Amino acid sequence: EADIYQTPRYLVIGTGKKITLECSQTMGHDKMYWYQQDPGMELHLIHYSYGVNSTEKGDLSSESTVSRIRTEHFPLTLESARPSHTSQYLCASSDNSYGIYEQYFGPGTRLTVT
Amino acid sequence: AQSVTQPDIHITVSEGASLELRCNYSYGATPYLFWYVQSPGQGLQLLLKYFSGDTLVQGIKGFEAEFKRSQSSFNLRKPSVHWSDAAEYFCAVGVVVGIQGAQKLVFGQGTRLTINP
Repeated sequence: EADIYQTPRYLVIGTGKKITLECSQTMGHDKMYWYQQDPGMELHLIHYSYGVNSTEKGDLSSESTVSRIRTEHFPLTLESARPSHTSQYLCASSDNSYGIYEQYFGPGTRLTVT
Repeated sequence: AQSVTQPDIHITVSEGASLELRCNYSYGATPYLFWYVQSPGQGLQLLLKYFSGDTLVQGIKGFEAEFKRSQSSFNLRKPSVHWSDAAEYFCAVGVVVGIQGAQKLVFGQGTRLTINP
């Protein structure tokens, strides 16, 4: 089992609230990723990080922001949640070598904005 | 642009029957291919991966997949399914992004597998 954790697992929140989705990994991976998955749909990359103090936007435009202050921690923040943000958010990490290596996924956070 | 197509949105098979899930990809270079499984309420677990070499790859839980470059396919198979195999299955192609070796996975839409007892 991969050691990557996400909290909360489920979150129901009202419009306009600020939320932070937590993601932590204990594998020492430099590279971390956030994917968004709408019900019945494929995953889309929204953010990724090469390492500490590095963040990049992914393919799918997102109003969320991320930070990477520590290697093991990659939180995602929505300053003002809207119903259109309702989705599942999956965090992943990969090892430090250059190239295509498998990504390890957390259990996901299912967000519902009312 | 890279893309992955899983033609079957939902498949139902009987327990003990064989299974094949289809995956077609579009990618200009040598593809790095993955199959992941997602159980309800869970994250994704890697079943198997193809980087190079033998085109028939073995994975966990008795799954295998065959890479066919001429058909741009990477179909997943299992000779005899178990009720616990009911889940969502995603095919993905790995793509390097940027210059520092990060990678993204481009996923198909997924195939939901239902097992009849």
